[in-house]
Amino acid sequence: GENVEQHPSTLSVQEGDSAVIKCTYSDSASNYFPWYKQELGKRPQLIIDIRSNVGEKKDQRIAVTLNKTAKHFSLHITETQPEDSAVYFCAASRGFGNEKLTFGTGTRLTIIP
Amino acid sequence: DGGITQSPKYLFRKEGQNVTLSCEQNLNHDAMYWYRQDPGQGLRLIYYSQIVNDFQKGDIAEGYSVSREKKESFPLTVTSAQKNPTAFYLCASSIPGRAEAFFGQGTRLTVV
Repeated sequence: GENVEQHPSTLSVQEGDSAVIKCTYSDSASNYFPWYKQELGKRPQLIIDIRSNVGEKKDQRIAVTLNKTAKHFSLHITETQPEDSAVYFCAASRGFGNEKLTFGTGTRLTIIP
Repeated sequence: DGGITQSPKYLFRKEGQNVTLSCEQNLNHDAMYWYRQDPGQGLRLIYYSQIVNDFQKGDIAEGYSVSREKKESFPLTVTSAQKNPTAFYLCASSIPGRAEAFFGQGTRLTVV
Protein backbone atom coordinates (compact mmCIF):
# COMPACT_ATOMS: atom_id res chain seq x y z
CA GLY A 1 0.00 0.00 0.00
CA GLU A 2 0.83 3.67 -0.04
CA ASN A 3 3.38 5.08 2.40
CA VAL A 4 3.69 8.84 2.96
CA GLU A 5 6.64 10.33 4.81
CA GLN A 6 6.57 13.93 6.07
CA HIS A 7 9.39 16.19 7.28
CA PRO A 8 10.10 17.95 9.51
CA SER A 9 7.99 16.86 12.45
CA THR A 10 8.34 20.29 14.08
CA LEU A 11 9.17 23.64 12.54
CA SER A 12 9.54 27.08 14.10
CA VAL A 13 9.83 30.19 11.96
CA GLN A 14 9.89 33.90 12.66
CA GLU A 15 6.72 35.75 11.79
CA GLY A 16 6.97 37.04 8.22
CA ASP A 17 9.43 34.34 7.11
CA SER A 18 8.56 31.38 4.89
CA ALA A 19 7.89 27.80 5.94
CA VAL A 20 8.35 24.68 3.83
CA ILE A 21 7.07 21.20 4.63
CA LYS A 22 8.03 18.22 2.47
CA CYS A 23 6.39 14.86 1.79
CA THR A 24 7.35 11.80 -0.21
CA TYR A 25 5.05 8.99 -1.33
CA SER A 26 5.63 5.45 -2.55
CA ASP A 27 2.65 4.53 -4.78
CA SER A 28 3.25 5.72 -8.34
CA ALA A 29 -0.51 5.39 -8.98
CA SER A 30 -1.31 8.16 -6.48
CA ASN A 31 -2.58 11.25 -8.27
CA TYR A 32 -4.23 13.43 -5.63
CA PHE A 33 -2.24 15.24 -2.93
CA PRO A 34 -4.08 17.37 -0.37
CA TRP A 35 -2.76 19.33 2.59
CA TYR A 36 -4.74 19.66 5.80
CA LYS A 37 -4.36 22.11 8.67
CA GLN A 38 -5.40 21.06 12.16
CA GLU A 39 -5.61 23.59 14.96
CA LEU A 40 -5.48 22.38 18.54
CA GLY A 41 -8.53 20.30 19.42
CA LYS A 42 -10.19 20.87 16.06
CA ARG A 43 -10.88 18.88 12.93
CA PRO A 44 -8.41 18.80 10.03
CA GLN A 45 -9.41 21.19 7.26
CA LEU A 46 -8.29 21.16 3.66
CA ILE A 47 -6.15 24.17 2.79
CA ILE A 48 -4.87 23.29 -0.66
CA ASP A 49 -4.61 20.28 -2.95
CA ILE A 50 -2.93 19.33 -6.21
CA ARG A 51 -3.50 16.67 -8.83
CA SER A 52 -0.80 14.88 -10.77
CA ASN A 53 -1.41 16.73 -14.00
CA VAL A 54 -0.29 19.98 -12.35
CA GLY A 55 3.19 20.85 -11.12
CA GLU A 56 2.35 23.81 -8.90
CA LYS A 57 -0.70 25.50 -7.41
CA LYS A 58 -0.96 28.73 -5.46
CA ASP A 59 -3.63 30.24 -3.23
CA GLN A 60 -2.62 33.59 -1.77
CA ARG A 61 0.23 32.86 0.71
CA ILE A 62 0.08 29.10 0.26
CA ALA A 63 1.53 27.06 -2.58
CA VAL A 64 2.06 23.38 -3.26
CA THR A 65 4.57 21.86 -5.68
CA LEU A 66 4.60 18.31 -7.03
CA ASN A 67 7.40 16.32 -8.60
CA LYS A 68 5.87 13.05 -9.86
CA THR A 69 9.15 11.67 -11.10
CA ALA A 70 10.75 11.98 -7.68
CA LYS A 71 7.45 11.24 -5.88
CA HIS A 72 7.57 14.23 -3.61
CA PHE A 73 5.43 17.26 -2.96
CA SER A 74 5.86 20.29 -0.75
CA LEU A 75 3.81 22.94 1.01
CA HIS A 76 5.13 26.51 0.99
CA ILE A 77 3.72 29.22 3.27
CA THR A 78 5.03 32.72 2.70
CA GLU A 79 4.77 35.79 4.94
CA THR A 80 3.82 33.61 7.89
CA GLN A 81 1.43 34.91 10.52
CA PRO A 82 0.65 33.76 14.08
CA GLU A 83 -2.61 32.17 12.91
CA ASP A 84 -0.58 29.82 10.70
CA SER A 85 0.54 28.00 13.86
CA ALA A 86 -1.03 24.52 13.67
CA VAL A 87 -0.29 20.93 12.71
CA TYR A 88 -0.12 20.35 8.96
CA PHE A 89 -0.70 16.96 7.31
CA CYS A 90 0.05 15.91 3.78
CA ALA A 91 -1.81 13.01 2.19
CA ALA A 92 -2.01 10.99 -1.02
CA SER A 93 -4.65 8.94 -2.78
CA ARG A 94 -5.30 7.32 -6.13
CA GLY A 95 -8.58 9.16 -6.51
CA PHE A 96 -11.30 8.34 -9.01
CA GLY A 97 -13.08 5.54 -7.16
CA ASN A 98 -10.30 4.75 -4.69
CA GLU A 99 -10.16 7.94 -2.69
CA LYS A 100 -8.93 6.67 0.65
CA LEU A 101 -6.24 9.00 1.87
CA THR A 102 -2.92 7.95 3.34
CA PHE A 103 -1.59 10.66 5.64
CA GLY A 104 1.86 11.74 6.65
CA THR A 105 2.73 11.95 10.34
CA GLY A 106 2.22 15.71 10.56
CA THR A 107 4.33 18.83 11.08
CA ARG A 108 3.77 21.08 14.05
CA LEU A 109 4.41 24.62 12.79
CA THR A 110 5.02 27.37 15.33
CA ILE A 111 5.20 31.00 14.24
CA ILE A 112 7.36 33.10 16.56
CA PRO A 113 6.04 36.68 16.91
CA ASP B 1 -26.37 23.36 8.08
CA GLY B 2 -24.57 20.61 6.14
CA GLY B 3 -21.70 18.68 7.58
CA ILE B 4 -20.45 15.67 9.50
CA THR B 5 -21.43 15.19 13.12
CA GLN B 6 -19.61 12.93 15.51
CA SER B 7 -20.89 12.09 18.95
CA PRO B 8 -20.04 12.10 21.71
CA LYS B 9 -17.13 14.56 21.83
CA TYR B 10 -15.62 12.79 24.84
CA LEU B 11 -16.10 9.14 25.78
CA PHE B 12 -14.82 7.14 28.69
CA ARG B 13 -14.76 3.38 28.64
CA LYS B 14 -13.85 0.75 31.16
CA GLU B 15 -11.45 -1.94 30.08
CA GLY B 16 -13.25 -4.91 28.58
CA GLN B 17 -16.25 -2.93 27.37
CA ASN B 18 -17.32 -2.35 23.80
CA VAL B 19 -18.22 1.21 22.83
CA THR B 20 -19.80 2.69 19.69
CA LEU B 21 -18.86 6.05 18.18
CA SER B 22 -21.46 7.79 16.05
CA CYS B 23 -20.86 9.50 12.71
CA GLU B 24 -23.65 11.11 10.69
CA GLN B 25 -23.38 13.21 7.53
CA ASN B 26 -25.97 15.16 5.55
CA LEU B 27 -23.66 16.00 2.65
CA ASN B 28 -25.05 13.15 0.52
CA HIS B 29 -21.53 11.72 0.23
CA ASP B 30 -21.19 8.10 -0.80
CA ALA B 31 -17.81 7.42 0.82
CA MET B 32 -17.14 7.52 4.57
CA TYR B 33 -13.99 6.83 6.59
CA TRP B 34 -12.79 6.31 10.13
CA TYR B 35 -9.31 7.46 11.16
CA ARG B 36 -7.47 7.15 14.42
CA GLN B 37 -5.12 9.93 15.51
CA ASP B 38 -2.31 9.41 18.01
CA PRO B 39 0.39 11.96 18.87
CA GLY B 40 3.25 11.83 16.37
CA GLN B 41 1.57 9.22 14.17
CA GLY B 42 -0.72 11.24 11.97
CA LEU B 43 -4.06 9.84 10.89
CA ARG B 44 -4.33 6.12 10.34
CA LEU B 45 -7.22 4.53 8.44
CA ILE B 46 -9.35 2.05 10.39
CA TYR B 47 -12.24 1.28 8.00
CA TYR B 48 -13.81 2.87 4.97
CA SER B 49 -17.01 2.47 3.00
CA GLN B 50 -17.54 3.61 -0.56
CA ILE B 51 -21.20 2.60 -0.76
CA VAL B 52 -24.05 1.51 1.47
CA ASN B 53 -23.83 -2.08 2.76
CA ASP B 54 -20.16 -2.35 1.81
CA PHE B 55 -16.96 -1.52 3.71
CA GLN B 56 -13.28 -2.43 3.69
CA LYS B 57 -10.57 -2.72 6.29
CA GLY B 58 -7.99 0.00 6.48
CA ASP B 59 -4.48 -0.23 7.87
CA ILE B 60 -5.40 -0.79 11.54
CA ALA B 61 -8.79 -2.58 11.56
CA GLU B 62 -8.02 -5.12 14.30
CA GLY B 63 -10.26 -4.64 17.33
CA TYR B 64 -12.75 -2.45 15.46
CA SER B 65 -15.99 -3.07 13.59
CA VAL B 66 -18.30 -0.92 11.46
CA SER B 67 -21.63 -1.03 9.67
CA ARG B 68 -23.05 0.98 6.78
CA GLU B 69 -26.78 0.37 6.71
CA LYS B 70 -27.64 3.93 5.68
CA LYS B 71 -25.83 6.35 3.41
CA GLU B 72 -25.68 9.04 6.08
CA SER B 73 -24.43 6.89 8.97
CA PHE B 74 -21.18 5.01 9.60
CA PRO B 75 -20.83 3.98 13.26
CA LEU B 76 -17.58 2.58 14.63
CA THR B 77 -17.49 0.02 17.44
CA VAL B 78 -14.32 -0.24 19.48
CA THR B 79 -14.32 -3.75 20.88
CA SER B 80 -12.58 -5.20 23.91
CA ALA B 81 -10.12 -6.82 21.48
CA GLN B 82 -8.57 -3.41 20.77
CA LYS B 83 -5.59 -3.39 23.14
CA ASN B 84 -4.87 0.32 23.15
CA PRO B 85 -8.07 2.17 22.32
CA THR B 86 -7.30 5.52 23.93
CA ALA B 87 -7.06 7.95 21.00
CA PHE B 88 -8.76 10.70 19.03
CA TYR B 89 -11.14 9.25 16.41
CA LEU B 90 -12.05 11.18 13.29
CA CYS B 91 -14.81 10.38 10.82
CA ALA B 92 -14.71 11.75 7.28
CA SER B 93 -16.70 11.62 4.08
CA SER B 94 -16.06 12.34 0.41
CA ILE B 95 -17.65 12.29 -3.00
CA PRO B 96 -16.25 9.50 -5.20
CA GLY B 97 -14.18 11.08 -7.92
CA ARG B 98 -13.53 14.23 -5.87
CA ALA B 99 -11.20 12.78 -3.20
CA GLU B 100 -11.46 15.82 -0.91
CA ALA B 101 -12.34 14.54 2.55
CA PHE B 102 -14.51 16.48 5.02
CA PHE B 103 -13.93 15.68 8.68
CA GLY B 104 -16.15 15.58 11.73
CA GLN B 105 -15.12 17.25 15.00
CA GLY B 106 -13.76 14.02 16.41
CA THR B 107 -14.37 11.84 19.47
CA ARG B 108 -11.75 11.54 22.17
CA LEU B 109 -11.95 8.07 23.68
CA THR B 110 -10.27 7.33 26.99
CA VAL B 111 -10.07 3.94 28.64
CA VAL B 112 -10.29 4.19 32.42
